[in-house]
Amino acid sequence: QQPVQSPQAVILREGEDAVINCSSSKALYSVHWYRQKHGEAPVFLMILLKGGEQKGHDKISASFNEKKQQSSLYLTASQLSYSGTYFCGTERPSNDYKLSFGAGTTVTVRA
Amino acid sequence: NAGVTQTPKFQVLKTGQSMTLQCAQDMNHEYMSWYRQDPGMGLRLIHYSVGAGITDQGEVPNGYNVSRSTTEDFPLRLLSAAPSQTSVYFCASSYSEGTEQYFGPGTRLTVT
Repeated sequence: QQPVQSPQAVILREGEDAVINCSSSKALYSVHWYRQKHGEAPVFLMILLKGGEQKGHDKISASFNEKKQQSSLYLTASQLSYSGTYFCGTERPSNDYKLSFGAGTTVTVRA
Repeated sequence: NAGVTQTPKFQVLKTGQSMTLQCAQDMNHEYMSWYRQDPGMGLRLIHYSVGAGITDQGEVPNGYNVSRSTTEDFPLRLLSAAPSQTSVYFCASSYSEGTEQYFGPGTRLTVT
């Protein structure tokens, strides 16, 4: 069962902030976040493990609410390079820890 | 260190033809996966392996076969290509569950 991502798309001006959400109806072991540019492979951003801490990568950070089985990715002071499609992936014990991806959120940052 | 490599980059098949997509990694990762990516549907898991000799089905396994005889290689076979298999295929590897997945550059497959 794939996680649900929202919103489907977001348009930002440079310097603005955005939040992307990822939720599951089943108990999670981990949440992964990847970014994909057009015509390229997905690139790893960060992973949040059950019981772990909030992660950060430059001005991109994420949180994991284990009780709600939800994760959020925070894009702060967005840059043009942040444009792309963001995917969350979830690992669940009930699915033998196979990574299942959401449908993606397309982020467009304009000057 | 080449990471994850995939061949070919592009392929056009006729309906009913068979072929093998190649995937190799040089990071000594035990876990390897095949995904297909279609517009608006994200990445869907086709087949999965947690080590040489061990494979398992993902969400969309029908029409595809895999085997894992070595740690490095994880080929994906299309048995009888159908237009519904037109997609971009990504191979990925990781050290274990709960760790970063490294993706190959992808194979763009068109079935006519």
